[in-house]
Amino acid sequence: SQQGEEDPQALSIQEGENATMNCSYKTSINNLQWYRQNSGRGLVHLILIRSNEREKHSGRLRVTLDTSKKSSSLLITASRAADTASYFCALRGSGGGADGLTFGKGTHLIIQP
Amino acid sequence: DGGITQSPKYLFRKEGQNVTLSCEQNLNHDAMYWYRQDPGQGLRLIYYSQIVNDFQKGDIAEGYSVSREKKESFPLTVTSAQKNPTAFYLCASSAGNEQYFGPGTRLTVT
Repeated sequence: SQQGEEDPQALSIQEGENATMNCSYKTSINNLQWYRQNSGRGLVHLILIRSNEREKHSGRLRVTLDTSKKSSSLLITASRAADTASYFCALRGSGGGADGLTFGKGTHLIIQP
Repeated sequence: DGGITQSPKYLFRKEGQNVTLSCEQNLNHDAMYWYRQDPGQGLRLIYYSQIVNDFQKGDIAEGYSVSREKKESFPLTVTSAQKNPTAFYLCASSAGNEQYFGPGTRLTVT
């Protein structure tokens, strides 16, 4: 199964700045999801974007999807210390079904106070 | 409170012993999943179940077994055949696209 690849692997910014992380993939998808994981915890779903959508917003989060480039980006605006976490993109293949998501290795985001 | 629980949070075992990790959900979800996470890595799918009494192998099922006798429960057994069992194990459930994760069990085998 295909895997998304996040970039960068790690990102450190000052509180209040915007954070952008990217996810690239290789085959067709039904949807792409972003999850957050605080250290040593389970994952929390942030946002889902379907293959026929180009942009979605949720609070301080903005996700874009470019299916021609097979890439997605997650923008967190006005970052806070509490945003420090690892962020994963997860792919649902175009075959559909409930056979689990394929996760990338994640971007570790550190917000400096 | 609706949610998904995993127990225990930390588990220590000696090599050669089987160990069972618990996963329970009260979200009334049909689908449940087990993932493994190694340091600095993403999640890899071990097993999944779309309905009671049915389950399928994921990408790394060797050395693991599961059962799904009840909708609420999806226990994972890490057998002695699993060559590198030390890892963080995450259980999830789903009623559609979004997955809900438990807090995880950190298994250490020495």
